[in-house]
Amino acid sequence: ETGVTQSPTHLIKTRGQQVTLRCSSQSGHNTVSWYQQALGQGPQFIFQYYREEENGRGNFPPRFSGLQFPNYSSELNVNALELDDSALYLCASSWDRASDEQFFGPGTRLTVL
Amino acid sequence: GESVGLHLPTLSVQEGDNSIINCAYSNSASDYFIWYKQESGKGPQFIIDIRSNMDKRQGQRVTVLLNKTVKHLSLQIAATQPGDSAVYFCAESIGEGYQKVTFGIGTKLQVIP
Repeated sequence: ETGVTQSPTHLIKTRGQQVTLRCSSQSGHNTVSWYQQALGQGPQFIFQYYREEENGRGNFPPRFSGLQFPNYSSELNVNALELDDSALYLCASSWDRASDEQFFGPGTRLTVL
Repeated sequence: GESVGLHLPTLSVQEGDNSIINCAYSNSASDYFIWYKQESGKGPQFIIDIRSNMDKRQGQRVTVLLNKTVKHLSLQIAATQPGDSAVYFCAESIGEGYQKVTFGIGTKLQVIP
């Protein structure tokens, strides 16, 4: 186990709704990254937070947003859900930035109907 | 559990044989490469990494080879075991080490007992 947990495990939403996914990092990990993994594909980088500020973003629209809290928890928020947002959402945490291995959580499976 | 292996290239190997998983990466500027293993219902797990100034790196039962000329990466697993059954992804980054990685198309490894 990596010590990174995510909730909920599964979630079903309808198109146009908003969703919040949660991640709890290992204690002391200042960096959290979020990835989207569509079925049968590799994870795609959404964005990274370092010490509660966004530190890089992949090719995702602004309706994907995040928050990182001082207690090593973080959130991924997605507004105006689309059918293509159906995927496994993974968070990964690490001590610092480039030099430290990131540890992935088990993911949240989001289904948009 | 989660199925991350749908529609992925599949490699079937007899238990005890060696496995070779190949990956073509996309960006010639990438300077860091990582192999991840993803089991059903889990997030990706770090296996081994290699920097662009190296051609080969060995770990416990695993070896990664890098050919920058043709932008090719391979993962060799010695004496493949049933527990090695999973989806394997290569990932690359530019100046970010372990972070903000771009994942390739995975390969599903099936170990035949």
